[in-house]
Amino acid sequence: DAKTTQPPSMDCAEGRAANLPCNHSTISGNEYVYWYRQIHSQGPQYIIHGLKNNETNEMASLIITEDRKSSTLILPHATLRDTAVYYCIVRVAGDSNYQLIWGAGTKLIIKP
Amino acid sequence: GAVVSQHPSRVICKSGTSVKIECRSLDFQATTMFWYRQFPKQSLMLMATSNEGSKATYEQGVEKDKFLINHASLTLSTLTVTSAHPEDSSFYICSAIGSEGAQETQYFGPGTRLLVL
Repeated sequence: DAKTTQPPSMDCAEGRAANLPCNHSTISGNEYVYWYRQIHSQGPQYIIHGLKNNETNEMASLIITEDRKSSTLILPHATLRDTAVYYCIVRVAGDSNYQLIWGAGTKLIIKP
Repeated sequence: GAVVSQHPSRVICKSGTSVKIECRSLDFQATTMFWYRQFPKQSLMLMATSNEGSKATYEQGVEKDKFLINHASLTLSTLTVTSAHPEDSSFYICSAIGSEGAQETQYFGPGTRLLVL
């Protein structure tokens, strides 16, 4: 079973920031939080990951709460092409078992 | 970021024929690759883990004789669906382990849509 919970769907206006929440209340100290997205009929795309510090890259920002029980993925200026299913996944750092457990994700719809 | 390709992107075949799908890591070497299957409106389901130079490890319920995996080099893994039937129609996706900074990360191919008539 997935170790994360996400809302099934969200809407966001084009040009606004999209904030996608994820709960991972049972996360262990050595588990990273990963975010992927899957645009319709394509393979998943890696977005970002983090352990406890907030992270930012060219695609998004990841905000992890101090207790690490939840996180938020932020797409600062959403475009129509950001419409996709977004998956939040936890994985043990350095684990030789690279398997990712996929939940249902959040279907994000960007509206013009 | 690391790039993974798949070929073909889509294939239509007759029932009873075999179909081979290729997965390549284009700019990095991958000792481990994964094969997933995804049915409409469902999440990804891991089928098997492919290790270069050794036998693949299959998930429970996945027939190894039906889904043949070969990982002959550090940049190529193949999945062959043998004697395909309509229920094998699905979206097949591979991934490869690459490095994102100090942390190894799975990078995914674009997927192959298989339709068995």
